[in-house]
Amino acid sequence: SSELTQDPAVSVALGQTVRITCQGDSLRSYYASWYQQKPGQAPLLVIFGENNRPSGIPVRFSGSSSGNTASLTITGAQTEDEADYYCNSRDRSGNHLVVFGGGTKLTVL
Amino acid sequence: EVQLVQSGAEVKEPGQSLKISCQASGYNFITYWIAWVRQMPGKGLEWMGIIYPADSNTTYSPSFQGQVTISADKSINTAYLQWSSLKASDTAMYYCARIPTRILPIAPWFDPWGQGTLVIVSS
Repeated sequence: SSELTQDPAVSVALGQTVRITCQGDSLRSYYASWYQQKPGQAPLLVIFGENNRPSGIPVRFSGSSSGNTASLTITGAQTEDEADYYCNSRDRSGNHLVVFGGGTKLTVL
Repeated sequence: EVQLVQSGAEVKEPGQSLKISCQASGYNFITYWIAWVRQMPGKGLEWMGIIYPADSNTTYSPSFQGQVTISADKSINTAYLQWSSLKASDTAMYYCARIPTRILPIAPWFDPWGQGTLVIVSS
């Protein structure tokens, strides 16, 4: 089981704002990064570090963190944002350099 | 453009060996860590391990230690993931990905990713 917990599914109306969360004790100490994965495609980094977007990622994607929860916010969700989203960080104990959350399936209605 | 191109899909029988590859281009291969990530059918992402091609320094996830071997060939900018004896439970998509910082971050992230190699193990 993952040390990072994500809601399995979230939905948002077209053009509205949605927050996808990732919970874990390690997030009190380490930033989370976020990936978008569409069916049949490789994951794509959308947020890393405190709140950094790689080149080419739309500004509607942003990241934040509070306590043991990291969040990915999509402000004005588009149909093309429908995908699975995964968070990753380091594990709490240090035994695992990298851990991934279980993923959240985002549906844009 | 930084690119990782993986080898093609494989269909193997249980007990067979396999080595899949990830060829990098567009950057200095030896100075960035490469990771391998498993995605079983319909499931999430699992980190398997990382390698620093300059000296082949490798760290494995405890979940995959002893189950696979990660290696790299600096001369051809290629990282590898190999199995000595496949099991049906190794059926999955395998991705390589670069850690895009020269110093390993305390909480690494991955960009870009290869297109994935599908491995099917079935008798």
